[in-house]
Amino acid sequence: DIQMTQSPSTLSASVGDRVTITCRASQSINNWLAWYQLKPGKAPKLLVYDASSLESGVPSRFSGSGSGTEFTLTISSLQPDDFATYYCQLYNGRFGQGTNLEIK
Amino acid sequence: EVQLVESGGGLVQPGGSLRLSCAASGFTFSSSWVSWVRQAPGKGLDWVAAINRDGSEVHYVDSVKGRFTISRDNSKNSLYLQMNSLRVEDTAVYYCARNAWWGQGTLVSVSS
Repeated sequence: DIQMTQSPSTLSASVGDRVTITCRASQSINNWLAWYQLKPGKAPKLLVYDASSLESGVPSRFSGSGSGTEFTLTISSLQPDDFATYYCQLYNGRFGQGTNLEIK
Repeated sequence: EVQLVESGGGLVQPGGSLRLSCAASGFTFSSSWVSWVRQAPGKGLDWVAAINRDGSEVHYVDSVKGRFTISRDNSKNSLYLQMNSLRVEDTAVYYCARNAWWGQGTLVSVSS
């Protein structure tokens, strides 16, 4: 089984900051990776698919990059609505451990 | 447009069984790996099981092995999850997934 390792587990940042979350696969997964945003009481929201394609309606401050085994999700300028938990996922496979993005 | 519609959730007692179904449309179902993922109340995201295009290869998270069975019927564009010996900790919203796209989910509650 391919394992997904996400870091950091917690990230403290301020509005306007640029933040990056990393996801590593235990073997090459090409670009078969998605990023999701999770908020309490809401359904998970797809942000990025195919590692770097922005889902329709997602603000352009979100971006994804990477291929093979290393991937990143970047938020270029944090907005108040962005404080949430973020997960990477191998298509039809495991999730990363999640990153809790909290206000500093 | 990819559409995935789950059904079959509900309230069941510990040790009971449920069968979830997922009706797929908008893509070539028989050419796609598909899977089930879940989110327990107030918790994170968990992958549950996956099945390959013709059903000959399946994978499960350790916590459901021997209790859950994933299957598919390509003639009906449908995915299934047979859940036996259900535990309280299986309580979650279960989503049918094809790559990055998920259905709206169906709630499974295991409680006495």
